[in-house]
Amino acid sequence: AQSVTQLGSHVSVSEGALVLLRCNYSSSVPPYLFWYVQYPNQGLQLLLKYTTGATLVKGINGFEAEFKKSETSFHLTKPSAHMSDAAEYFCAVGGNEKLTFGTGTRLTIIP
Amino acid sequence: DADVTQTPRNRITKTGKRIMLECSQTKGHDRMYWYRQDPGLGLRLIYYSFDVKDINKGEISDGYSVSRQAQAKFSLSLESAIPNQTALYFCATSAQFQETQYFGPGTRLLVL
Repeated sequence: AQSVTQLGSHVSVSEGALVLLRCNYSSSVPPYLFWYVQYPNQGLQLLLKYTTGATLVKGINGFEAEFKKSETSFHLTKPSAHMSDAAEYFCAVGGNEKLTFGTGTRLTIIP
Repeated sequence: DADVTQTPRNRITKTGKRIMLECSQTKGHDRMYWYRQDPGLGLRLIYYSFDVKDINKGEISDGYSVSRQAQAKFSLSLESAIPNQTALYFCATSAQFQETQYFGPGTRLLVL
């Protein structure tokens, strides 16, 4: 069985500040981990993914995430927030070619 | 052109009506999925298909049915729509033995 917990359904940061979105997972098999972003009135776009190998994963738009097995975490970060980062972000865990999603975190950027 | 398309993009229907949502893809992927998104609940899997002859129920299949007409087409039907099926519906695809899924733009369904 797999599950994902995203801490904080809403996160607000100032423009230029660090973005940190938290994700913890549970998986009975070595996990594949994903972050997707959903801009208003759009579908989900893959931001980054971890499969195997390097635990620090870089994605699009300056985002990165680190897989920490001991903490069962896959937190998403970006050093400096931009207004265009305002969106909803979903963490997901994969296995057996199915994804289980978290409930999402809505990111608001304060000018 | 979009790799995964969904029609219609928006639909309003009445309780008890039958409705079909369609998904087409040009990515050549074997796997196709239907999800629904509700505020605060994330995305939940309704049905998935690993190939034309393979259909599987997901987490919340009650009240829904699907048809895989071809490798590139996967339709979701609500046989008798009810208001709590009001949601945003997404189709997704993935390649065989790959975990990454690619999503369509979604269909916003309102059941009155």
